[in-house]
Amino acid sequence: TQLLEQSPQFLSIQEGENLTVYCNSSSVFSSLQWYRQEPGEGPVLLVTVVTGGEVKKLKRLTFQFGDARKDSSLHITAAQPGDTGLYLCAGRPYNTDKLIFGTGTRLQVFP
Amino acid sequence: ETGVTQTPRHLVMGMTNKKSLKCEQHLGHNAMYWYKQSAKKPLELMFVYSLEERVENNSVPSRFSPECPNSSHLFLHLHTLQPEDSALYLCASSQAARGYTEAFFGQGTRLTVV
Repeated sequence: TQLLEQSPQFLSIQEGENLTVYCNSSSVFSSLQWYRQEPGEGPVLLVTVVTGGEVKKLKRLTFQFGDARKDSSLHITAAQPGDTGLYLCAGRPYNTDKLIFGTGTRLQVFP
Repeated sequence: ETGVTQTPRHLVMGMTNKKSLKCEQHLGHNAMYWYKQSAKKPLELMFVYSLEERVENNSVPSRFSPECPNSSHLFLHLHTLQPEDSALYLCASSQAARGYTEAFFGQGTRLTVV
């Protein structure tokens, strides 16, 4: 079974704090995506990383793909209440066409 | 205009009812998907359609029956569901089913089976 494990599962922080969410697997992925999902809505794509070791920045969000293409991280600087939501990583393992999703990290940022 | 639209947004049905979920994509994509999202579980892929042909069925019970009349529309027909089928059902699309890397999701249908 190809699993994407995310940690932490839940995170509650104050506005202005920094945080990192991790996405780990024993499988190798051709690419990895990060999505954010707000209550009552579908997931919205934030970024795709393709190259091992790649780092992408989206305003206060920094995404990194592991050198071995088995893991990824999402770092948020100076979190804001608008960052609140469920963060999902997803990837397509090399030996399958399926896009599989991680277990999710639920982030709550308090003003 | 929303890229992927799902209707209805909310549905409550009895175990003996028959209902259908609808999904429409305006992105010109060739592949469409149904996912199930339950509390405390990762998103589960149910079905994959590529150019209106079903290419993936992830051991989904027969009480869920998908239909893809064309590359822009996808349905999920429901009958004799169980309470444990209550979940958020998400439709997604991508440019292709093979080698795709990015999926675009609808807002989902919150289904409650009573």
